[in-house]
Amino acid sequence: AQTVTQSQPEMSVQEAETVTLSCTYDTSENNYYLFWYKQPPSRQMILVIRQEAYKQQNATENRFSVNFQKAAKSFSLKISDSQLGDTAMYFCAFIAGTASKLTFGTGTRLQVTL
Amino acid sequence: SQTIHQWPATLVQPVGSPLSLECTVEGTSNPNLYWYRQAAGRGLQLLFYSVGIGQISSEVPQNLSASRPQDRQFILSSKKLLLSDSGFYLCAWRVLGYTDTQYFGPGTRLTVL
Repeated sequence: AQTVTQSQPEMSVQEAETVTLSCTYDTSENNYYLFWYKQPPSRQMILVIRQEAYKQQNATENRFSVNFQKAAKSFSLKISDSQLGDTAMYFCAFIAGTASKLTFGTGTRLQVTL
Repeated sequence: SQTIHQWPATLVQPVGSPLSLECTVEGTSNPNLYWYRQAAGRGLQLLFYSVGIGQISSEVPQNLSASRPQDRQFILSSKKLLLSDSGFYLCAWRVLGYTDTQYFGPGTRLTVL
């Protein structure tokens, strides 16, 4: 069974600073995809970034980047130049290539402060 | 571009009453559709998914059911709501071969009293 673990229930960062959110996963699949979703107070789930397991290059989307360590089954999210609008719950998620089920971690609540 | 709608946005229902939540997707054909539930302060739990009209797979046995009467319409129902059905319900879509990403709707906040 696939599992996703987020070991940081809450984190805080000052505006303009950099923060890294941790995620580890467990799977026996070789073809899979990893995602970070953001859930602001409105509670809509918004895709932040995605990573294909077969790609060695780490994905980047503007201020958001990942550190994907396939052998260690680690998928951390780095937010650079943090903004107040980044305050949200962040969920790490995993899906195997042929599966329908998206497996979520328990989330990390990020607070960006002045 | 693709958009996903959920209706209603907020719902307060008494215990034992019926439920119908609707999800519609625009701008794509033959999507995979998903219903998730999120209890307060917790992660997402997959309830149902559908790969086509009339095809429903259930992940968690409970008093909820789902139907897909049209290609881009997904409905979550219950004949009699329980207190434990309270939560935030999210619909998502995905098109195999186009993207492996699931995109979520705005959600429905359901309170059962």
